[in-house]
Amino acid sequence: QVQLQESGPGLVKPSETLTLTCTVSGGSISSYYWSWIRQPPGKGLEWIGYIYYSGTTNYHPSLKSRVTISRDTSKNQFSLKLTSVTAADTAVYYCARDLAARPGSLLYWGQGTLVTVSS
Amino acid sequence: EIVLTQSPGTLSLSPGERATLSCRASQSVSSYYLAWYQQKPGQAPRLLIYDTSSRATGIPDRFSGSGSGTDFTLTISRLEPEDFAVYSCQQFGSSPWTFGQGTKVEIK
Repeated sequence: QVQLQESGPGLVKPSETLTLTCTVSGGSISSYYWSWIRQPPGKGLEWIGYIYYSGTTNYHPSLKSRVTISRDTSKNQFSLKLTSVTAADTAVYYCARDLAARPGSLLYWGQGTLVTVSS
Repeated sequence: EIVLTQSPGTLSLSPGERATLSCRASQSVSSYYLAWYQQKPGQAPRLLIYDTSSRATGIPDRFSGSGSGTDFTLTISRLEPEDFAVYSCQQFGSSPWTFGQGTKVEIK
C-alpha cells in the first residue's frame, strides 16, 4: 500500500522560505505524478504543482515565481520550496500521487501538515 | 484557468435521502479529467470518482458521477451517516488543475 508522509516546520516567518518533504513508502517515485496541494484554514483545495517521474514539473501560475518542486529518488522523496512566504501561505499542505494513467486524479494523499506563517 | 463552481454550498439532508451535488465549469472539461473527492474534518481528501463516472477502488456504489462539457453531478443515492462531509470536484484537463470550493453535506 502506497503511503505518503509530509514533514517540515510548522511555523515559518514572513519573507522566509517554506520547505516541506514528502516521503513515499510502498512504491517508487520513479513512476507517476507527484503533487503538492494546499488548503487554507476553512477554505478549498488549491493545487500547487507536480513533478513527473521524468523530472518534468508544472506549477500553478499564481505561485510559479516562488515555487520549486524537486525529487530525490535515492530517498524516495519529493520536496516543495515556497519562497517569500506571507500570511496568505498559511495552510495545510498535502502531498499526493495520481491514479495510474490519470495524472490528476489524486488517489494517494499524505495526512497533511499545517504550516503557519507568522513572526 | 478553468473555474469550477459547486452548488449548493451546503446541503442539509437526512440519512437515507438522496444527495445531488453540482459542479459547473467555466470552460468545457473532457470527461476523462473530472474527479470528485470527499473530505472529512481533519482528514485528507479521498478520491471517490474519476473520469467523471468511474468509482475509485473501495467506493460504495451509492456514489455515482455523471455529466459532460461544463456540467457535472455527483449523486449519493442513499445517505449513510459516514457520508456527511465536504465534497469537491476537480479538473485536470487544463493547467492549472483546479478544484471547486466544495459542497458541505450536513445532517438535517
